[in-house]
Amino acid sequence: EAGVAQSPRYKIIEKRQSVAFWCNPISGHATLYWYQQILGQGPKLLIQFQNNGVVDDSQLPKDRFSAERLKGVDSTLKIQPAKLEDSAVYLCASSLDPSGGYEQYFGPGTRLTVT
Amino acid sequence: KNEVEQSPQNLTAQEGEFITINCSYSVGISALHWLQQHPGGGIVSLFMLSSGKKKHGRLIATINIQEKHSSLHITASHPRDSAVYICALSGSARQLTFGSGTQLTVLP
Repeated sequence: EAGVAQSPRYKIIEKRQSVAFWCNPISGHATLYWYQQILGQGPKLLIQFQNNGVVDDSQLPKDRFSAERLKGVDSTLKIQPAKLEDSAVYLCASSLDPSGGYEQYFGPGTRLTVT
Repeated sequence: KNEVEQSPQNLTAQEGEFITINCSYSVGISALHWLQQHPGGGIVSLFMLSSGKKKHGRLIATINIQEKHSSLHITASHPRDSAVYICALSGSARQLTFGSGTQLTVLP
């Protein structure tokens, strides 16, 4: 079974530039999560999708971050414009079920450096 | 106070040692997860448990629901076990609440 795929793996941009990350979840997984993990901290949920609908985006900085999951499969996370404090690893995860009763499977992450 | 606390924050051990990482939490949960994160960022789910004990190879996870405490044990530790180990809770919010992680370094 293929795992969660993410690209790119690494990205370096200057502040005020834009960047987009892509995630392809495990086939059949209805729930998709985007997390931000700042160095030395645990992951923080940015947005949760159930199929192509948003379940929770309460911690997404909507003035600069946006995410979509067209057709309930792949997802993209965009930052525009980036700030220095956005430097982090962005993790995508998927699970069969949003109830917490199923494991979340994580992708390899995208390490973003904003200079 | 954080909902989930891990200890220790950093742990250095010699190869072959028995290792214990602890996780305490203060909220009701449906399950507790132990995750492993290697340098480079990817996270692997090790265990998901809601009661008792699970074992996989040299890894053992236990949970005491009454005391709101879980432990992750590694027997016969090896340098390849070096990673960050994260405790995470899933509850009624249907999301994971993560601990800050324990950085484990196993020296040869």
